[in-house]
Amino acid sequence: ETGVTQSPTHLIKTRGQQVTLRCSSQSGHNTVSWYQQALGQGPQFIFQYYREEENGRGNFPPRFSGLQFPNYSSELNVNALELDDSALYLCASRDSAMNTEAFFGQGTRLTVV
Amino acid sequence: AQSVTQLGSHVSVSEGALVLLRCNYSSSVPPYLFWYVQYPNQGLQLLLKYTTGATLVKGINGFEAEFKKSETSFHLTKPSAHMSDAAEYFCAVSDMNNNDMRFGAGTRLTVKP
Repeated sequence: ETGVTQSPTHLIKTRGQQVTLRCSSQSGHNTVSWYQQALGQGPQFIFQYYREEENGRGNFPPRFSGLQFPNYSSELNVNALELDDSALYLCASRDSAMNTEAFFGQGTRLTVV
Repeated sequence: AQSVTQLGSHVSVSEGALVLLRCNYSSSVPPYLFWYVQYPNQGLQLLLKYTTGATLVKGINGFEAEFKKSETSFHLTKPSAHMSDAAEYFCAVSDMNNNDMRFGAGTRLTVKP
């Protein structure tokens, strides 16, 4: 079985632009969560998707949005990028039916200049 | 709402010495507790988890943690540190459905030869 994969691994964007990050969940996992990890800090919960619907959200503004597709893969979209959005973005997947713990991808390092 | 506090942002030990990383949690419901390790420029790897049952939990790489409800603690220990243990360690808490996982700020472990 494959693990959680994220793309791209690194990218650089300009303030005000929009970005889309992608995540392929581990095989059989139907729930995907996204986290933002700023340098030197712990991951902060952005939101969670289950069966293509958002079913949990942390303290992030609406310009952070997401999608989950029928194959359980997911996207994180961030509009109107700000310098403080520079961070490692982590995706985690799990199987809600089996109530497994979350398995994390390697992350996407976003730099906003 | 759930939260965790990790005491000590940096811990330094000598190779072969005891490793003790401290974590206290706050939760209004019975918690699930986790320890993750993160190596530079990588995602999070699960070390161990407490859900229900035995309060002493053994994980990978010789680590273990004990859930103490009376002290709201879940400290991570390893009897003998190895150079390869140098990394960032995160304590996390979620509800019993593995939803809304909250992380601590992390503890950087340095192992001196």
